[in-house]
Amino acid sequence: GAVVSQHPSWVICKSGTSVKIECRSLDFQATTMFWYRQFPKQSLMLMATSNEGSKATYEQGVEKDKFLINHASLTLSTLTVTSAHPEDSSFYICSARDIDSPYNSPLHFGNGTRLTVT
Amino acid sequence: AQSVAQPEDQVNVAEGNPLTVKCTYSVSGNPYLFWYVQYPNRGLQFLLKYITGDNLVKGSYGFEAEFNKSQTSFHLKKPSALVSDSALYFCAVRPAFSGGYNKLIFGAGTRLAVHP
Repeated sequence: GAVVSQHPSWVICKSGTSVKIECRSLDFQATTMFWYRQFPKQSLMLMATSNEGSKATYEQGVEKDKFLINHASLTLSTLTVTSAHPEDSSFYICSARDIDSPYNSPLHFGNGTRLTVT
Repeated sequence: AQSVAQPEDQVNVAEGNPLTVKCTYSVSGNPYLFWYVQYPNRGLQFLLKYITGDNLVKGSYGFEAEFNKSQTSFHLKKPSALVSDSALYFCAVRPAFSGGYNKLIFGAGTRLAVHP
């Protein structure tokens, strides 16, 4: 089946530094990937839609300068949390849609990245 | 506003008993409905979906869900629960018109605890 690889699975960084999270579709191509944030015991909050070769579309209230998204190829999207602060600590999950699958196909999710900012 | 409601934070059931995890939705047009499961510190795994056709949908690991248009519900069910079914379950809906990006709206999640 379709696999989405997310790396790293967990990261601890100091306040003020930047962290890059990678999301790769291993056996399919994805023109669109989605980045979610999940707080403890809460649902997934869509942060942005990553579009291959163009700018990401951010949801209302998400700072585009803080959460930089790059989707340079059909198999890779990256999320960079810039100048991280403790309140950015969270579980970040990416998902992707197979370009060759029907429009109503389910999304494939990565295993998430646990970010802790100290 | 478009939304998904999972009214129960947690569902407790004994192993071998049937389980139901509830989901209702509010969207314009005909929705696409999904159930996902999440194990600790992991991403989401797809269980099943309703697009059109038969209201009873069968999915992975013996789960099924029934689409009820009049009640705008899509409850997840399993005839006989296993301890290994214990996890966090998310109902999600993709509105018929979501800008072509397959955006999903997730419910708050329901934690299922199956006791031996």
